[in-house]
Amino acid sequence: AQSVTQLDSHVSVSEGTPVLLRCNYSSSYSPSLFWYVQHPNKGLQLLLKYTSAATLVKGINGFEAEFKKSETSFHLTKPSAHMSDAAEYFCVVRAPNFNKFYFGSGTKLNVKP
Amino acid sequence: NAGVTQTPKFQVLKTGQSMTLQCAQDMNHNSMYWYRQDPGMGLRLIYYSASEGTTDKGEVPNGYNVSRLNKREFSLRLESAAPSQTSVYFCASRQAQGGNEKLFFGSGTQLSVL
Repeated sequence: AQSVTQLDSHVSVSEGTPVLLRCNYSSSYSPSLFWYVQHPNKGLQLLLKYTSAATLVKGINGFEAEFKKSETSFHLTKPSAHMSDAAEYFCVVRAPNFNKFYFGSGTKLNVKP
Repeated sequence: NAGVTQTPKFQVLKTGQSMTLQCAQDMNHNSMYWYRQDPGMGLRLIYYSASEGTTDKGEVPNGYNVSRLNKREFSLRLESAAPSQTSVYFCASRQAQGGNEKLFFGSGTQLSVL
């Protein structure tokens, strides 16, 4: 069975400081992992994905994530937060050869001026 | 570039009423999905369809039915709406070509059941 746990429901940072959004996954297989972002009253947009190539994955808007198999983690980071980063972020897992995508419960990122 | 189109955007139902949420994609994707989003619970998979003519249950299928009418269209039906089905519903389709995998989402349907 596949599942993801997002360890923080809310994260608050100051503009210009680093962002860390934590995600742990559970999968019986080597999974595909994704981060999606949802801005207020908007649809969901893919930030980045891991599909068993490089363990450090770069995405859009300066975000990146590192796949750590030993820790079953896929944490999302950004060196310097911008006000426009305020949104809800979802970690997503899919097992290979399966069609189902499982979403974490989400982390709301607040960016203070 | 329509992508994934969902209708309606908003709907208010009374308990016991029925309705169908429509979804269509114009990207020739095989797989389509219905999710519901509730505060603090992320998106939960209701049903999905791996290809035309097939459907399968997700995490929370009770109270819902689906129809994959053709490759483009995947509808979600509430036969007898309950207040617990108040939620935001998203349809999605999966792009799976090569290494460029991603889900494309519709803009959502906000459903209130009174």
